[in-house]
Amino acid sequence: QQQVKQSPQSLIVQKGGISIINCAYENTAFDYFPWYQQFPGKGPALLIAIRPDVSEKKEGRFTISFNKSAKQFSLHIMDSQPGDSATYFCAAINQGAQKLVFGQGTRLTINP
Amino acid sequence: DVKVTQSSRYLVKRTGEKVFLECVQDMDHENMFWYRQDPGLGLRLIYFSYDVKMKEKGDIPEGYSVSREKKERFSLILESASTNQTSMYLCASSLGPGLAGFLLAYEQYFGPGTRLTVT
Repeated sequence: QQQVKQSPQSLIVQKGGISIINCAYENTAFDYFPWYQQFPGKGPALLIAIRPDVSEKKEGRFTISFNKSAKQFSLHIMDSQPGDSATYFCAAINQGAQKLVFGQGTRLTINP
Repeated sequence: DVKVTQSSRYLVKRTGEKVFLECVQDMDHENMFWYRQDPGLGLRLIYFSYDVKMKEKGDIPEGYSVSREKKERFSLILESASTNQTSMYLCASSLGPGLAGFLLAYEQYFGPGTRLTVT
């Protein structure tokens, strides 16, 4: 119940294309869904996050889509650039808990 | 900017050695975390601490212990290193519950990681 399942494990997209990474969860008590971005040799850093009271959040080329009934959320990267090549982690947390539950990670490669 | 530093970027130890990984944060955060990162398994929580001298087991605490004597410092200890503990170790901190908004309270800031090899 505490798991967050992320797919795909790896993804290759051409420059200018749309990258889509999906996550699914079971615990309906989760109420905060962040995405973290990790470049090689660095720790993960918060990219964008959403609360379940909205269905979509956009920041620049990055969009989170949230489907509460399906218990799924996804990250869309529009106009993907080589500089977006990184590992992406989805995560979830519920109020009262103080630890994030992370997905397995997606290694994204954007080909120039 | 929040800064989380880890004592070593790369570490090579022998089986059976006692290993200390140190983490320091400079933002007066309440919560600190230790994760290990392995390909295909994501970030798995080993231990976390929500206050000085307080700790809670995460998902994979076996073979590890932690120490938090000061608010800014959180140490991960491998009592007797084994080859299956070869991994990337990441430390993180978060503000913790309180007056800050929910999103601010739980955003985790990560260190650069320590790649530990046990031979």
